[in-house]
Amino acid sequence: DTGVSQDPRHKITKRGQNVTFRCDPISEHNRLYWYRQTLGQGPEFLTYFQNEAQLEKSRLLSDRFSAERPKGSFSTLEIQRTEQGDSAMYLCASSTGTLNTGELFFGEGSRLTVL
Amino acid sequence: DQQVKQNSPSLSVQEGRISILNCDYTNSMFDYFLWYKKYPAEGPTFLISISSIKDKNEDGRFTVFLNKSAKHLSLHIVPSQPGDSAVYFCAEAGANSKLTFGKGITLSVRP
Repeated sequence: DTGVSQDPRHKITKRGQNVTFRCDPISEHNRLYWYRQTLGQGPEFLTYFQNEAQLEKSRLLSDRFSAERPKGSFSTLEIQRTEQGDSAMYLCASSTGTLNTGELFFGEGSRLTVL
Repeated sequence: DQQVKQNSPSLSVQEGRISILNCDYTNSMFDYFLWYKKYPAEGPTFLISISSIKDKNEDGRFTVFLNKSAKHLSLHIVPSQPGDSAVYFCAEAGANSKLTFGKGITLSVRP
């Protein structure tokens, strides 16, 4: 399968613990996005990479959140000192980046539950 | 700020009939909109898009209409099938393909 893959699919953690999610985009896609979706809401933009450069971060991304894409391929999203409000589905998406109006290809998401 | 509104949280239709899903927007940068479909426990998948040079785009059973003066778009599915039951998100494209999503509409197609 050559789609966007995310790992883990599910994570249950206790409040205060750190968690890390990984995203492997479609191989030829140079743009990578992280979104967060909570119950009853649409996906909300968190951050965006063009190759290895993080070009935009949402104000939703507090200091406890950090994202990297060290070699312009896979990306990680780390949440430090998790809070119950961090419980959500974290979605990764990628695109070719050739146009401003291209479709995004989403992974299946990583569901985080903070107890 | 871009805003996309899907004011109806759910829609139920009979199999074979038309489903009409609505979406309103405020300030649009590129006048380019996409519809995504999402099944439970899966990521959203692209369905159909429309740009400002058109007022209609059709792909099989799916047609999207764009009314720029009213800042409104709609997705028509005809005929509706039980497999179409899912959450449908309207999204607006911004710079660098960043998407702003609505809250989604849950479509149920009754056999």
